[in-house]
Amino acid sequence: EAQVTQNPRYLITVTGKKLTVTCSQNMNHEYMSWYRQDPGLGLRQIYYSMNVEVTDKGDVPEGYKVSRKEKRNFPLILESPSPNQTSLYFCASSTPGGSVSEAFFGQGTRLTVV
Amino acid sequence: GQSLEQPSEVTAVEGAIVQINCTYQTSGFYGLSWYQQHDGGAPTFLSYNALDGLEETGRFSSFLSRSDSYGYLLLQELQMKDSASYFCAVREANQAGTALIFGKGTTLSVSS
Repeated sequence: EAQVTQNPRYLITVTGKKLTVTCSQNMNHEYMSWYRQDPGLGLRQIYYSMNVEVTDKGDVPEGYKVSRKEKRNFPLILESPSPNQTSLYFCASSTPGGSVSEAFFGQGTRLTVV
Repeated sequence: GQSLEQPSEVTAVEGAIVQINCTYQTSGFYGLSWYQQHDGGAPTFLSYNALDGLEETGRFSSFLSRSDSYGYLLLQELQMKDSASYFCAVREANQAGTALIFGKGTTLSVSS
């Protein structure tokens, strides 16, 4: 089954404690991205990756890091989480362009930073 | 930079037809997509328009006018289960390649 898997689904952590949210896809997609979703603000892109070892900042990259060492994995790293990073996070993957532009989303990670 | 504008809320009754508009400003535009998201769930793909015109998929249709930087999602024969948030998204070219950018979403409430 084609899917994007995020872990964990829920996480409560304390300010300053480094954490990683994992994302894995099994569709051999080149393009992967991270979004955060906050009420009234829609889906805002944090980082994206066009392929292995190719990453770029989205609209709200501050406080986040990513890596793309393998095609299937695209972890999101918060080196020193702060309460303003409390949000719902989604990972997505797709082919980068062409005639089809369907993105597949993970089930989301609800992060609370206290 | 880029921006997408869509209404924040739309209400309708079962069986009705509703149109959700989206206007965009981007550079290097590739196409306009629509996604549906039920409360707390993952967004799911509905449709994609790369060229001008209407694309129909069952009760849902999507339209694009590249010259007007405008598109819409048309939902027919509305059902209660269509109550959800709907996002338009553009795939645009940039220095790194392409990026998929979303609007803020339209909350559709369907009542009986």
